[in-house]
Amino acid sequence: TQLLEQSPQFLSIQEGENLTVYCNSSSVFSSLQWYRQEPGEGPVLLVTVVTGGEVKKLKRLTFQFGDARKDSSLHITAAQPGDTGLYLCAGVETDSWGKLQFGAGTQVVVTP
Amino acid sequence: GAGVSQSPRYKVAKRGQDVALRCDPISGHVSLFWYQQALGQGPEFLTYFQNEAQLDKSGLPSDRFFAERPEGSVSTLKIQRTQQEDSAVYLCASSLGGGIGANVLTFGAGSRLTVL
Repeated sequence: TQLLEQSPQFLSIQEGENLTVYCNSSSVFSSLQWYRQEPGEGPVLLVTVVTGGEVKKLKRLTFQFGDARKDSSLHITAAQPGDTGLYLCAGVETDSWGKLQFGAGTQVVVTP
Repeated sequence: GAGVSQSPRYKVAKRGQDVALRCDPISGHVSLFWYQQALGQGPEFLTYFQNEAQLDKSGLPSDRFFAERPEGSVSTLKIQRTQQEDSAVYLCASSLGGGIGANVLTFGAGSRLTVL
């Protein structure tokens, strides 16, 4: 059972276009993480957002944590084929030792 | 090692067989996690170790699943009498543990189990 809902489930765009992936929950998390997973590999951590309202930028990727720490978004500017992958959000429960609650993921395909 | 190593990468088992999946975490990482990822889904928590102590096993689906980390390093996830619904990728992750490091997980590539 996924407590975090991600949308859309699948996104196919052309190189150079922008995209946004959403992650929503009814639960409050102490922090939220975004991962990218490629076929046959484990998820790789992209970013951790901690403070409500926080915005972090990683090159062409912009991550935002909602004010209430229940939702987050990932925006990619000028997508490239190398951005193709499964994007997963994961909430870190308050006062946990690192236990993550993952969403089901958004499959992003960027075609040249 | 440089990363988290899992073996075997692929395992095909007949229903009813026992399987053992191995995880070699990053050297010095205190915390070790097992997650199960079904096809088309995100990973779901199975169990957590801090050194050799299993502090949380709330995600193990049934008593057929057993995990151990006897010396606080290598861990083994054992599934007895496998069922078709056990087919999934089993991911191992490790972290330094403690404070903010607790949330910085490095995942292995996973062990894909197919039960026929």
